[in-house]
Amino acid sequence: AQRVTQPEKLLSVFKGAPVELKCNYSYSGSPELFWYVQYSRQRLQLLLRHISRESIKGFTADLNKGETSFHLKKPFAQEEDSAMYYCALSRPSGAGSYQLTFGKGTKLSVIP
Amino acid sequence: NAGVMQNPRHLVRRRGQEARLRCSPMKGHSHVYWYRQLPEEGLKFMVYLQKENIIDESGMPKERFSAEFPKEGPSILRIQQVVRGDSAAYFCASGRLPGLTNYGYTFGSGTRLTVV
Repeated sequence: AQRVTQPEKLLSVFKGAPVELKCNYSYSGSPELFWYVQYSRQRLQLLLRHISRESIKGFTADLNKGETSFHLKKPFAQEEDSAMYYCALSRPSGAGSYQLTFGKGTKLSVIP
Repeated sequence: NAGVMQNPRHLVRRRGQEARLRCSPMKGHSHVYWYRQLPEEGLKFMVYLQKENIIDESGMPKERFSAEFPKEGPSILRIQQVVRGDSAAYFCASGRLPGLTNYGYTFGSGTRLTVV
């Protein structure tokens, strides 16, 4: 069965410091991976999709199939990055849907 | 475009009552997913619907839970005879296509159900 693990429940960094939010997955097929972000009192928003290989708000994530990881990185943290971050894996189900399997999330706190 | 609208934002029910959660997808979206987030957990898939059809309900509890997405009106997630363990945040997501668009799903703000 597929699984997404985010080992850190809470990550605190100082403003300007590098950020790495860890995500590991287990999935027997070809994974499609995402990072979602939830700012305080706001809805869940898509941050990154590994297939598009784009950089959003300075964040990047590289899929490492050998290590089954999809860590989220940013070289210089900003206060507005403080939020809840969820790693998610998409898989097609036999019933025609594309379910997302989420990790438990990491709360990033950027200290001024 | 108002985005995916969920209501109510907060819902309090006594044990044994019914809870009805509504989700209005984005304009032009005919695919709806429901997810549940228990305290300290990630979101977990419940059900996927298209207009008037349940496509995949493999994540739905077998009893007390049902979902619909009528031709007109919002999608409804219905929980009968609620118990304390049903207390959670319920999120709806919508899309134009069955799979994921370049921008993934669009999520609503969720309904936080508290069973007392």
